Amino acid sequence: QKEVEQNSGPLSVPEGAIASLNCTYSDRGSQSFFWYRQYSGKSPELIMFIYSNGDKEDGRFTAQLNKASQYVSLLIRDSQPSDSATYLCAVNMEYGNKLVFGAGTILRVKS
Amino acid sequence: SAVISQKPSRDICQRGTSLTIQCQVDSQVTMMFWYRQQPGQSLTLIATANQGSEATYESGFVIDKFPISRPNLTFSTLTVSNMSPEDSSIYLCSVDGGAYTEAFFGQGTRLTVV
Repeated sequence: QKEVEQNSGPLSVPEGAIASLNCTYSDRGSQSFFWYRQYSGKSPELIMFIYSNGDKEDGRFTAQLNKASQYVSLLIRDSQPSDSATYLCAVNMEYGNKLVFGAGTILRVKS
Repeated sequence: SAVISQKPSRDICQRGTSLTIQCQVDSQVTMMFWYRQQPGQSLTLIATANQGSEATYESGFVIDKFPISRPNLTFSTLTVSNMSPEDSSIYLCSVDGGAYTEAFFGQGTRLTVV
């Protein structure tokens, strides 16, 4: 079983729609969760992090965490073509400070 | 957030040679991490570098192939030794941002081995 799982996509949404990206993780003791955006040929850029159960909103982005279900998601409202990128979910596993990354979900926003 | 400078940004190398990648941070950090991202893949941790101690390598990565230095709290190097085309990847340096490990990345080094 992979430690952090994401649907590879591509996920295609029309401009202005809500994009929903999902991630599950295996380590029940995981403490912190991160979403990165990576444009082709660029390094990952941190866009959201969440530590507590529930929702965390930042502009058009909302991160949702459910530790009981070992599930974290990222919602992007009013999706723009510039949001087209690969979104990486990363989890800080209980047994160390290192992050474990999912394989990433490719998001395509069509204008 | 930390500002991380990584160089070179890209290089094309001959097989059998070695390349050293440098990572400079604008503030003192306890832990620095080296990742590899192969084409079309996600990030894989190579090793964790703490100042004053030997780097800790992940399964599948060995010191002879990827020696790491960490001479102080703002600098680290990763060497890719005896390169083969399979080593063609993006190599990324990142740092621990604090108690909850907000990882910040350098710009990456795109390595092509021919």
